[in-house]
Amino acid sequence: AQKITQTQPGMFVQEKEAVTLDCTYDTSDPSYGLFWYKQPSSGEMIFLIYQGSYDQQNATEGRYSLNFQKARKSANLVISASQLGDSAMYFCAMRENTGRRALTFGSGTRLQVQP
Amino acid sequence: DVKVTQSSRYLVKRTGEKVFLECVQDMDHENMFWYRQDPGLGLRLIYFSYDVKMKEKGDIPEGYSVSREKKERFSLILESASTNQTSMYLCASSLAEIREKLFFGSGTQLSVL
Repeated sequence: AQKITQTQPGMFVQEKEAVTLDCTYDTSDPSYGLFWYKQPSSGEMIFLIYQGSYDQQNATEGRYSLNFQKARKSANLVISASQLGDSAMYFCAMRENTGRRALTFGSGTRLQVQP
Repeated sequence: DVKVTQSSRYLVKRTGEKVFLECVQDMDHENMFWYRQDPGLGLRLIYFSYDVKMKEKGDIPEGYSVSREKKERFSLILESASTNQTSMYLCASSLAEIREKLFFGSGTQLSVL
């Protein structure tokens, strides 16, 4: 069974600094995808970044990058140059290719960016 | 603009009532999902569907059922609402491929009194 673990319930970061949000996963499927979503206080779920298990390079999207370490089964999200608008809940999720087609989510990390 | 629409933003029901949560997507997506979100637990999958009239149980299906009679609509049914079903319910849809992201509705905050 697939499982996602986010061990940081809450994080603080100073504006303009970088922050890493941890995510580890467990799966026996060799083919899978990893996702990060942001949920601001408004409640909407915003897709941030995707990493495929066979992708050769770490994914990047603007200020977001995914530090993918396959052997360690970790998929940490790195946010560079934090902004006040980055304050939100962040969820890591995984979908297996041969298993069920639904995303399994972690419990989330609440990030607060301080001025 | 792509859209997943949930019929109600807030809903208050009584214990024992039958509750219908409706979700409609306009993107011709094969897959549709129902999650519930509770503080500290993240999003937990209740049911999902990868085709019309098809459904599969997620991690917490007890007390829920679903219906997908048309591709664009996926309904979540609480047969007899209980107080422990008070939660935020999120509907989502996606294309079938593994790398396709989920599009979410704005959620329904259900309170069962």
